[in-house]
Amino acid sequence: DAKTTQPPSMDCAEGRAANLPCNHSTISGNEYVYWYRQIHSQGPQYIIHGLKNNETNEMASLIITEDRKSSTLILPHATLRDTAVYYCIVINQGGKLIFGQGTELSVKP
Amino acid sequence: EAGVVQSPRYKIIEKKQPVAFWCNPISGHNTLYWYLQNLGQGPELLIRYENEEAVDDSQLPKDRFSAERLKGVDSTLKIQPAELGDSAVYLCASSPGGGDYEQYFGPGTRLTVT
Repeated sequence: DAKTTQPPSMDCAEGRAANLPCNHSTISGNEYVYWYRQIHSQGPQYIIHGLKNNETNEMASLIITEDRKSSTLILPHATLRDTAVYYCIVINQGGKLIFGQGTELSVKP
Repeated sequence: EAGVVQSPRYKIIEKKQPVAFWCNPISGHNTLYWYLQNLGQGPELLIRYENEEAVDDSQLPKDRFSAERLKGVDSTLKIQPAELGDSAVYLCASSPGGGDYEQYFGPGTRLTVT
């Protein structure tokens, strides 16, 4: 499975959009990009995933570049409850989730 | 819909003692996972079950760790004997299986070995 690179930490003002980047330059054609987050003292929570096209759900939007070497998770209106560690994971169907260090997002009032 | 249930939430034991963790996955989920999470790190897979069959246990330290999912529903992870380095959070997750890899995690059991 391809390796991902994320910034260790980011800050975001409450109510503003949080844009979390992820590099996955070695991604192969059949590998998906998954995003999870982990709020303190809780288990990880699935957010969204995609293959080639941009995806949106009630939690977030996922923008994948045309060459698929990077992606951005967008929380359109961050709240204090979005403070968490966000994990970007590349996986092929049948593979397993390999969590890296993630990005610690702090949403500040 | 009930989520993944784990118990206990916290456990403190002395080294060399045995300990067991229990997990009840979301109803209908065929795939069950056990993860280990050390402080400041992401979760690491220990074992994955498809129904009652362990299909990936390559990361499970088999000298002291064991797991079972006898009827393909709930599962138990055991450590015997526990060592100081086993102090961590043990997470259980489940997914529907059949090509759906979105996993649902429980709250975890925080183990402290003294």
